[in-house]
This record gives sequence, C-alpha cells and structure tokens, in this order.
Amino acid sequence: AQSVSQHNHHVILSEAASLELGCNYSYGGTVNLFWYVQYPGQHLQLLLKYFSGDPLVKGIKGFEAEFIKSKFSFNLRKPSVQWSDTAEYFCAVITGAGSYQLTFGKGTKLSVIP
Amino acid sequence: DVKVTQSSRYLVKRTGEKVFLECVQDMDHENMFWYRQDPGLGLRLIYFSYDVKMKEKGDIPEGYSVSREKKERFSLILESASTNQTSMYLCASSRYTGGAYGYTFGSGTRLTVV
Repeated sequence: AQSVSQHNHHVILSEAASLELGCNYSYGGTVNLFWYVQYPGQHLQLLLKYFSGDPLVKGIKGFEAEFIKSKFSFNLRKPSVQWSDTAEYFCAVITGAGSYQLTFGKGTKLSVIP
Repeated sequence: DVKVTQSSRYLVKRTGEKVFLECVQDMDHENMFWYRQDPGLGLRLIYFSYDVKMKEKGDIPEGYSVSREKKERFSLILESASTNQTSMYLCASSRYTGGAYGYTFGSGTRLTVV
C-alpha cells in the first residue's frame, strides 16, 4: 500500500520568510499528488495538484510544488509567507487514474509569526 | 459550488451507544469517503463507496460500518461507541477515479465519546 511522509510536524516562521514543506511518497508506479490546506476551524481545501506534464505546479495563494520522480518527492514552497498562511498542510497521493483512495500524510502545522 | 454537508458539527455520545454520522453531497458524485482526523496522525480512510450500495474498507474500518442507500447520502455507523473513537470525522466526495476532478470535503463532525 502507498504511504506518504511529511518530514516536519510543526514549522514556525516569521512573516516574509520562505517556506518549504517536505513530502515523500512510497509507490513505484504512476501517482497523482496533492497538497491540501486546513485553516483553523475550516474544512480542507485543495492548494494544488500534479497529474502529469510540467513537474513544477502552481497553486492558489502563491504556493507551488515540485514533483521529483527520482526522489519520490513533492515538496511545497512559498517564497514569502504571511500570517494568514497559518494552517495545517497535508500532502496526499492517489496511485494512478483508476484508484479511489486518497492517502494523506500526517500533516505539517505551520505557524507564521507577525 | 459542490457542497458536502455533515449533519452535526459536534456530538457527544456515551460509551456503548450506536452512533450515526450523516453526510450528504449535492453534485451527483459517484464516490464518497469517510476519514478520521487525529492530531499527529493526519487523515485516515475508514470506508469509501464508489456506487449506491457498494462499499470498500479503508485503512481503519474496525469498529465502523457504512451505509449508502442513495447516491447523495453516505452514513458512518459506530455500532458500539468507544472512547478511542473520539475524533474528528470528515466526509468527502469525488467524481470518477484518480482524483482528477478533485475531492470535496465537509466541515467535519467532532465526536466525543464519554
């Protein structure tokens, strides 16, 4: 079965700092990759997704992620974080076009200090 | 906008009670899912359904069952609630497989078993 690892449990940054959240998955075949965000008290929202093509994917609110197949990684980045980015971030994977199951990592809580 | 509505935001139940968590989606999605979200563990799939009356076990089905009698409604049942089932429960729906059309999540039901 596939699994997803997020390296950091809690990241604390000052406003304007750059962000990179690590995500690795374990599956040797075709994968579809996602980053979701959950703001305090709100439901999960899709930040971005990768299916094929350009491995650098741009999402909402200035976030981007890079798929590196050789490293089984899909790291999330943002050049300059804001206080409003304080949230929990989840990496997730579906193994191929015919699969139903979206498997999540354990999440990374981001706290941005004004 | 696709809406996934979970009937209760907060529930408190006693150990041994039979508990029903209800989820309704309004966009004719084929697939529906129940996840459990716990701090430090991320989201874990309990059950999913890819069609009416069809169900598949996820990663942690023990102690739970589901019912899907109509396409728009997916119920999670705790046959005999236990304190280790205290958690946030998230319902989601999607069209087709592979996640190409996205997953939409409900706001969650926070269940406390005392």
